[in-house]
Amino acid sequence: EIVMTQSPATLSVSPGERATLSCRASQSVSSNLAWYQQKPGQAPRLLVYGASTRATGIPARFTGSGSGTDFTLTISSLQSEDFAIYYCQQYNNWPPWTFGQGTKVEIK
Amino acid sequence: EVQLVESGGGLVHPGRSLRLSCTTSGFNVGDYAMTWVRQTPGKGLEWVSFIRNKAYDGTTEYAASVKGRFIISRDESKNIAYLQMNSLKAEDTAVYYCTRSREGSGWHDYWGQGTLVTVSS
Repeated sequence: EIVMTQSPATLSVSPGERATLSCRASQSVSSNLAWYQQKPGQAPRLLVYGASTRATGIPARFTGSGSGTDFTLTISSLQSEDFAIYYCQQYNNWPPWTFGQGTKVEIK
Repeated sequence: EVQLVESGGGLVHPGRSLRLSCTTSGFNVGDYAMTWVRQTPGKGLEWVSFIRNKAYDGTTEYAASVKGRFIISRDESKNIAYLQMNSLKAEDTAVYYCTRSREGSGWHDYWGQGTLVTVSS
């Protein structure tokens, strides 16, 4: 099973600033990585797949990058609606599909 | 508009059964892979089960933690996916989400709102 590790656990950022979230896989997942955003009381929402392709309707301020074992989600200028928990998920080796434990982006 | 709505959650005693339903609209449930994912505060998001689309004969996969106890299925005539959960354990307590994936994609493009299952005596 591939273990996904996200860092940091919590990121404190001021509105308008850049946020950089990391996700590391225990072995290569090529570019088979997705990012999701989850707000309190809501289901996760797909942001990025294929490591860098934004899903339909996702603003351009969300950028995914990386391949192999190291991946990054960058939010270029945080808006109030972006404060949430972000998860990465690999789909290179399955089953099982595995998720990271999440990074909480909070208001500084 | 694509929608997924889970139902069937609730409080159940250990060892008992529960069936979750995922009622879909806006697409044909047989044309997509359907997955159940659960979430707990302690373990985060955990993949539970998966059924491939009809072109792949609807083959199924299960997490090791539920294999032999849970059964995933779908009814194309009703556009519903199901998760039959048997021999429930306390550690199955979670919010259960159903998701949709394009066959072969691996990512989940639509999620339901979730249904809470609590296993407790």
